[in-house]
Order: sequence, then C-alpha cells, then structure tokens
Amino acid sequence: NSKVIQTPRYLVKGQGQKAKMRCIPEKGHPVVFWYQQNKNNEFKFLINFQNQEVLQQIDMTEKRFSAECPSNSPCSLEIQSSEAGDSALYLCASSRGVEQYFGPGTRLTVL
Amino acid sequence: GDSVTQTEGQVTVSESKSLIINCTYSTTSIAYPNLFWYVRYPGEGLQLLLKVITAGQKGSSRGFEATYNKETTSFHLQKASVQESDSAVYYCALGTNSAGNKLTFGIGTRVLVRP
Repeated sequence: NSKVIQTPRYLVKGQGQKAKMRCIPEKGHPVVFWYQQNKNNEFKFLINFQNQEVLQQIDMTEKRFSAECPSNSPCSLEIQSSEAGDSALYLCASSRGVEQYFGPGTRLTVL
Repeated sequence: GDSVTQTEGQVTVSESKSLIINCTYSTTSIAYPNLFWYVRYPGEGLQLLLKVITAGQKGSSRGFEATYNKETTSFHLQKASVQESDSAVYYCALGTNSAGNKLTFGIGTRVLVRP
C-alpha cells in the first residue's frame, strides 16, 4: 500500500480564493507528481519535481497554479485564484523508478 | 502525444466468471512505453495492480494478467474467475522509461461483480 500522504482530504473554496494542498511523498522517492482528475475521470498531469527542481509542467500550471517541493517540508500545490472548473480530485504521486505510487487525493470543490 | 483507450463505462460480470478489459495505446515516443494497470477500490486510493516494461512480457497480480503486445499496441487486463472483491475502477496507463516522466491514463472501467 502507498505511503503517500495528502492533506487535506477535502477542500471547499469560493471562486477567486486560494486553495492549497500538501503532499508528503514516500520516503526515499525523489520524484513527485501532481495530477488533476476531473468529474469525467480524466487525468491531467500538472507538474513534477525531482528533489526540489521542476522537471515538467503544463501551461495551466505555470499561470494560475504554483507548486513547490522544499527539502524537509511537504510538497504543496496552490491555486492562486480558484475557478469552478478547478473542482476536481488532486492526486499526488511519488516514485523512485518507473512506477508511481499515489496518495488518496485532495478533493477540491469550488463554489 | 500519448493516448490510452480502454473499455468505457461499466462492465458487470457474475462471480466466478471471466473478465477482460481492453486497453490500447498510442505513443509518439521512439522508445517502447512502460504499461500499467492501476485500480481504485471503493473508498480507497489509486493502487498499482501490475506493470510490464518489456514488450512481449506478461504481468500478473491478484489473479489478473496483462500481456504487453507491441504489434497490436494493446495491454488487455484479464482474470479467469472474478470475485465480488474485484469490484473497482480499473485504469490502464502508459509511461516512458524515464522515472521522471508523467503517466497517461485511460478513462477508467468500472467493474461490478455480482454475487
């Protein structure tokens, strides 16, 4: 079973508010990923890190989302100004090989 | 880009019967991808069910099997005799050989096993 920890499990925000979620990867896993799974079950990759450095990110993440993985602290994903379309399950995964191990997710609802 | 197509919607099967969930993939990478099946049981997080990283090989776990077929670009998931506890949502996913590269997921197939 995965040991990736995500908090909070549920997050409710109004439009325009900031939304911040955190992830503690499995010990010894240097790579961390963030995905968004929408209500249609579609996964969208957002950003990933190796140690503290960004490896890849999509355009959306560059504009309204900010993420970091500081050393000795949880990784975080923050939406600067939430929109209704951001309502989704946000999944954090970590890896040290080709397979990824997922946390339970943070379900964000933007009212 | 990469894409994964799998059996859509819900599959209902009676306990002890066989199950197959189809998965085909497309990739623009020159290297053969790594292929995965993930599962989400009710109330639980996404778990890795099995993986195959070499074309032509078969992966197996918990009675499920999937063979990586590069000719047909397929990675179908099969189980000969399902149990009620196999009721879950199954996701086929594609990755590359680099540990830092993202996974591309299919839309998920909900499996309901009737007692």
